Amino acid sequence: NAGVTQTPKFQVLKTGQSMTLQCAQDMNHNSMYWYRQDPGMGLRLIYYSASEGTTDKGEVPNGYNVSRLNKREFSLRLESAAPSQTSVYFCASSGRTSYGYTFGSGTRLTVV
Amino acid sequence: GENVEQHPSTLSVQEGDSAVIKCTYSDSASNYFPWYKQELGKRPQLIIDIRSNVGEKKDQRIAVTLNKTAKHFSLHITETQPEDSAVYFCAASNSGYALNFGKGTSLLVTP
Repeated sequence: NAGVTQTPKFQVLKTGQSMTLQCAQDMNHNSMYWYRQDPGMGLRLIYYSASEGTTDKGEVPNGYNVSRLNKREFSLRLESAAPSQTSVYFCASSGRTSYGYTFGSGTRLTVV
Repeated sequence: GENVEQHPSTLSVQEGDSAVIKCTYSDSASNYFPWYKQELGKRPQLIIDIRSNVGEKKDQRIAVTLNKTAKHFSLHITETQPEDSAVYFCAASNSGYALNFGKGTSLLVTP
């Protein structure tokens, strides 16, 4: 099993460009999450999807949109990238009976 | 919303010593408390978790204790080894909701 797969692993964007980060899980998990990780700030929740068909804002949603395409896939979109969005982005998923997350390998995004 | 505070931000111990990392949380409804280990350049990985109906849980050299009255929980690592060097994150949630993470503790174990 692959677990949680994120693409791409690295990306450089120019200010104002758009892009979509892709995430897919093969563990039949109901819930999926997007976090960003910045030095000294820990992991901050951007958006989450408690179940297929629902999405909710987290702590830092401004500048992002999400789509829960189906039970397996949860994408994160930056419509107009800003340097403040330079970060490492992690996707994660969790099941109904086990609340521990399985994380993807991360996407290192640089906005110049 | 939930606020999780973690201390210390950095911790240096000698190999064989014990390490303790402490977290406090604000939401009394929180009932799930996991700990994650993140090695440099890698993804966070769950190392141990505890639910609010349990006061302590052990797994070999690591243990977690929970004090619901005081709203704090701690990670204890005994007989530390150089491979324990990493960033450790605590988190809290009300079961079924998203985790709120502390800012992390960078642990260095020196031989």
